[in-house]
Amino acid sequence: QSALTQPPSASGSPGQSVTISCTGTSSDVGGYNYVSWYQQHPGKAPELMIYGVSKRPSGVPDRFSGSKSGNTASLTVSGLQAEDEADYYCSSYAGSNKLVFGGGTKLTVL
Amino acid sequence: QLQLQESGPGLVKPSETLSLTCTVSGGSISSSSHYWDWIRQPPGKGLEWIATMYYSGSNYYNPSLMSRVTISVDTSKNQFSLKLSSVIAADTAVYYCARHDPTDEQLDYWGQGTLVTVSS
Repeated sequence: QSALTQPPSASGSPGQSVTISCTGTSSDVGGYNYVSWYQQHPGKAPELMIYGVSKRPSGVPDRFSGSKSGNTASLTVSGLQAEDEADYYCSSYAGSNKLVFGGGTKLTVL
Repeated sequence: QLQLQESGPGLVKPSETLSLTCTVSGGSISSSSHYWDWIRQPPGKGLEWIATMYYSGSNYYNPSLMSRVTISVDTSKNQFSLKLSSVIAADTAVYYCARHDPTDEQLDYWGQGTLVTVSS
């Protein structure tokens, strides 16, 4: 059970869009539509932003969207705002009641 | 509003057992619709799933930690617990408890986390 692969960092200017990738295998990301994305600000607990690949919990701005193609899932943040600067983690169901996380991506708003 | 709160010692000696409890308020741990998870995050590093439990006693563990982890539930106190045995410095982390919705396998409510340091 290896961690999912995310780029260590991503950045964009206010108002721009940025996409963060999350690559796994056919045993996790590619095998199930159970990819979630979490936002974590420094010193805080993670917060669910996207689940089921592309679903948004109530209260999450529609600037956040998710998608998946093959073994790679993506999180897109449109209309970047200063408060979007945070660490982002993907997770996927990996079969047999197991979960696996990505290594995390630090998003910087320039 | 559902809330989760981790509690336990902040310092554990190497080779001893780390014990944490998660207290759930604003909802029942006996809900048939949800599971309950433990996740950890070493300082400056990423998240690692530790285990999932169902109130009826079904437990699922990260294979890399399975030999050292035990999770249990106390429905009368609306709590669930984590024990990690034979700890080493690499087990130093912020430990989170979370509610797990099996509909889409998401962790929708998280505790604030508690830092456990393994040191003599």
